Amino acid sequence: SQKIEQNSEALNIQEGKTATLTCNYTNYSPAYLQWYRQDPGRGPVFLLLIRENEKEKRKERLKVTFDTTLKQSLFHITASQPADSATYLCALDEDGNQFYFGTGTSLTVIP
Amino acid sequence: DVKVTQSSRYLVKRTGEKVFLECVQDMDHENMFWYRQDPGLGLRLIYFSYDVKMKEKGDIPEGYSVSREKKERFSLILESASTNQTSMYLCASTLAGGKDEQFFGPGTRLTVL
Repeated sequence: SQKIEQNSEALNIQEGKTATLTCNYTNYSPAYLQWYRQDPGRGPVFLLLIRENEKEKRKERLKVTFDTTLKQSLFHITASQPADSATYLCALDEDGNQFYFGTGTSLTVIP
Repeated sequence: DVKVTQSSRYLVKRTGEKVFLECVQDMDHENMFWYRQDPGLGLRLIYFSYDVKMKEKGDIPEGYSVSREKKERFSLILESASTNQTSMYLCASTLAGGKDEQFFGPGTRLTVL
């Protein structure tokens, strides 16, 4: 069956360190992979999109990698800040019509 | 500023009631989606629509129906609410297909008693 797995445990890191979140998938062949941020009680907000033929994408302090052989995406936040504390979701598009979401990883950046 | 709005932030209904959740987007987007979000299960797609009057079932359509009479508005209907439909409901829209970011509404927290 199709599955998208993100870090099952909450992630706590010290301010200033790099946070690394993982997204592993099975039985998909996504053309696109997206990362979203969700704050409590709010809808997700889009952060980055990476295509299957791209290895890496950057935006300010964010970096996403996409390894279609390993079926994995890594999401990095460098120089993390307490304001980065949120839940981060990965989402895959396979057929061009809809996205399938992971369950999310809760990140807490400790001052 | 682009926006997706949902009719209610919080809603409390009784078992058996018919429930309407409304979603409006002001971006002239083609595609609209309804998800529910539950702890440990993530976002699950209920229905989506890629055009006016068109609808497609998502992963969990049972107990729900949708209506899209106008491009900007996508309604989710719970024909007879049940307690297992207590959840956070999120509406989203995209310009076209999978390469486009989804814009989400603020969500409706529905409690069915």
